[in-house]
Amino acid sequence: AQTVTQSQPEMSVQEAETVTLSCTYDTSENNYYLFWYKQPPSRQMILVIRQEAYKQQNATENRFSVNFQKAAKSFSLKISDSQLGDTAMYFCALPGGGADGLTFGKGTHLIIQP
Amino acid sequence: NAGVTQTPKFQVLKTGQSMTLQCAQDMNHNSMYWYRQDPGMGLRLIYYSASEGTTDKGEVPNGYNVSRLNKREFSLRLESAAPSQTSVYFCASSLRGIGTSTRELFFGEGSRLTVL
Repeated sequence: AQTVTQSQPEMSVQEAETVTLSCTYDTSENNYYLFWYKQPPSRQMILVIRQEAYKQQNATENRFSVNFQKAAKSFSLKISDSQLGDTAMYFCALPGGGADGLTFGKGTHLIIQP
Repeated sequence: NAGVTQTPKFQVLKTGQSMTLQCAQDMNHNSMYWYRQDPGMGLRLIYYSASEGTTDKGEVPNGYNVSRLNKREFSLRLESAAPSQTSVYFCASSLRGIGTSTRELFFGEGSRLTVL
């Protein structure tokens, strides 16, 4: 069974700093996708970034990038030049749970301080 | 572009009451899911439907029933609500099939349910 571990329940950084959220996982699949979702106080689940496991190049979306280490089964999210609007819960996820659904980590609550 | 719509957004129930959460998607997705979110637990899968007419249990199905009414709609029913079912519920959908294996889920806005 797939498992996703986020070891940082909460993190707090100053605005404009760079922050890295960690995620480790276990899966028996060889070809898969990994995801980071953001959940702001509005409760909406928003896809931040997606990584294809067979691609060696790390995915980047504006200020968001990942450090994907396939052999170590590690998938961390780096947020550069953090902004107040980045305050949210962040969930790491990978395929699992049936019908190509996703298995989620328990989340990291990121707080950006002014 | 509505995406995934779920109702109601908020509901308060008494122990033993029943209710149905409704979910509809307009993206022609074949797979639909119900998750619950509890503090410190992430999102856990309750039930899913891989296609119209099929449903299967997820990680935490006890106390729930589902209906895949058609391709668009997937409802979640609590027959006899219990305080342990106090949670935020999310409906999601995805497009599955050959060549569409990104497995990205699209979520509704969530429904906060409180059982007293």
